[in-house]
Amino acid sequence: SQQGEEDPQALSIQEGENATMNCSYKTSINNLQWYRQNSGRGLVHLILIRSNEREKHSGRLRVTLDTSKKSSSLLITASRAADTASYFCATDPYNQGGKLIFGQGTELSVKP
Amino acid sequence: DAGVIQSPRHEVTEMGQEVTLRCKPISGHNSLFWYRQTMMRGLELLIYFNNNVPIDDSGMPEDRFSAKMPNASFSTLKIQPSEPRDSAVYFCASSLRSGDLHYGYTFGSGTRLTVV
Repeated sequence: SQQGEEDPQALSIQEGENATMNCSYKTSINNLQWYRQNSGRGLVHLILIRSNEREKHSGRLRVTLDTSKKSSSLLITASRAADTASYFCATDPYNQGGKLIFGQGTELSVKP
Repeated sequence: DAGVIQSPRHEVTEMGQEVTLRCKPISGHNSLFWYRQTMMRGLELLIYFNNNVPIDDSGMPEDRFSAKMPNASFSTLKIQPSEPRDSAVYFCASSLRSGDLHYGYTFGSGTRLTVV
């Protein structure tokens, strides 16, 4: 089964609103990463949060990590139509040699 | 740096034919990953190399799939013989591994494989 599971599977919002996506995982991790994938394109790394960090910011992105609940959230503030994409969380499980395990993703649609 | 380079971008082949996908990782990266993406199964890790040595190939679906990394700047994923269910987008990614941490994890643009 997938290590990371995103919620919701799909999210539709208006431009300017905030978008929040959640990710849950099952085992201990070294870090958790978020990626974006535009339709038909490759994955773009957005942000990495290590297991000893609780929150991280990058521009309009804010990621939180709660290792006690094995969950993470990605917040995109003041969304734009260009943010429309699929967003994946990926975990780097502890003691598994560095491989990333991806969730099924959240499909975000930002309407202008 | 041009990033992770995959070729071809698109491949259409007939069932039973051999398919070879190619990947050039970012210079200086010491880890390379092959993933497969389908609507049904999402992103699956197929195999992972560290310093050109296969570390984990537990995701390789069956013996028809094989991967090699003859040097630090080149890897191939081969499917022989190909089947329609192999149709997917295949991604290569590379990173710099230091201990248990990976830095600069970067994906290529993928190869869209269609087996008819």
